[in-house]
Amino acid sequence: AQSVTQLGSHVSVSEGALVLLRCNYSSSVPPYLFWYVQYPNQGLQLLLKYTTGATLVKGINGFEAEFKKSETSFHLTKPSAHMSDAAEYFCAVTLNQAGTALIFGKGTTLSVSS
Amino acid sequence: GAGVSQSPRYKVAKRGQDVALRCDPISGHVSLFWYQQALGQGPEFLTYFQNEAQLDKSGLPSDRFFAERPEGSVSTLKIQRTQQEDSAVYLCASTSWGRGTGELFFGEGSRLTVL
Repeated sequence: AQSVTQLGSHVSVSEGALVLLRCNYSSSVPPYLFWYVQYPNQGLQLLLKYTTGATLVKGINGFEAEFKKSETSFHLTKPSAHMSDAAEYFCAVTLNQAGTALIFGKGTTLSVSS
Repeated sequence: GAGVSQSPRYKVAKRGQDVALRCDPISGHVSLFWYQQALGQGPEFLTYFQNEAQLDKSGLPSDRFFAERPEGSVSTLKIQRTQQEDSAVYLCASTSWGRGTGELFFGEGSRLTVL
């Protein structure tokens, strides 16, 4: 069975600072990995995904993540935080099977201060 | 519409009441998922439909929870005899489901509060 662990339920950064949100996964087979963002009172929106190929994945709003199989990690980064990045971020994993549900982590709330 | 639409956005129920939550997926999306998101938690899988067939209901927490998608489009999640622990945001997601892509498009959710 797959699972996702997000280290740190809250992360606070200053505007312009590096953002690093950690995600580790457990899967018995090669996983597909995702980061979703949820703004207050809105639905989840896909930031980026890793399926196959290049392990460094670029997403929207300047975010990127790197799949590291040896570390079973898929950490999300952004070089310079913006106030509008404040939201809740979810890492998720699924298998390469049609209809397999996404399994989500518990989420990390990102706060950005000026 | 262009996105996944859920209604009602907010529902307050007295303990013991039945509730019905509606999901209108993106047109043409064959796969539909329901998730439950408790306060401060990530979404947890409830059930999955492919067209009108309910292929996985392993996440439904009890037999008070029932979901249907009779015509392969709109789906309804019904909760009978609501309990306080049912209070959560119920998220619906749909996808055209290229094999293994896994990208889900989420609605804004229905927030259920059981008093």
